[in-house]
Amino acid sequence: NAGVTQTPKFQVLKTGQSMTLQCAQDMNHEYMSWYRQDPGMGLRLIHYSVGAGITDQGEVPNGYNVSRSTTEDFPLRLLSAAPSQTSVYFCASSYLRTGGGTEAFFGQGTRLTVV
Amino acid sequence: GNSVTQMEGPVTLSEEAFLTINCTYTATGYPSLFWYVQYPGEGLQLLLKATKADDKGSNKGFEATYRKETTSFHLEKGSVQVSDSAVYFCALRGETSGSRLTFGEGTQLTVNP
Repeated sequence: NAGVTQTPKFQVLKTGQSMTLQCAQDMNHEYMSWYRQDPGMGLRLIHYSVGAGITDQGEVPNGYNVSRSTTEDFPLRLLSAAPSQTSVYFCASSYLRTGGGTEAFFGQGTRLTVV
Repeated sequence: GNSVTQMEGPVTLSEEAFLTINCTYTATGYPSLFWYVQYPGEGLQLLLKATKADDKGSNKGFEATYRKETTSFHLEKGSVQVSDSAVYFCALRGETSGSRLTFGEGTQLTVNP
């Protein structure tokens, strides 16, 4: 049971380059989300999706795009990387809330450095 | 909007010491509350949760009680081990937030032998 799989684990980009962070889950979860983790700021929501074909913005969406063509996959695209996007990125998935205690499952993270 | 505030870290303890990590929240109604743990080089995993007032979540010797009157969900463990060294995140899911989680800043715990 793979759970939530993110690739790559590490990436270095030059300013202005674009790239896609991959996220896949095999639990048939409707809800998927992307967070960035920065020191002293916890995890901040970038984008989320409640099902295939449906995406929405979180707290810090600028500079990022997402799409959800299948239930399993939720890639995050950096259109033109900036040093401010240096961070650790986590993908998470869960069932759509049927009760408040629904657990979110996280990938292992992608450490991105923009130089 | 919803928010979560954790005690400032990092926290350094000796093995077998008592641990408390404070967490307070702001939310309307009755949110669900969570503690997640992040071990070095890994993603977050659920440690424990509570979904209504006065509930106590517990797992691996850790406990937290949902206190509506003080809007708190403090994490405690009676005797920490070196293997408990990790970053701990308090989080909430609001009544009207759908599946969205709001996280605190995280607290780095280091346990020395």
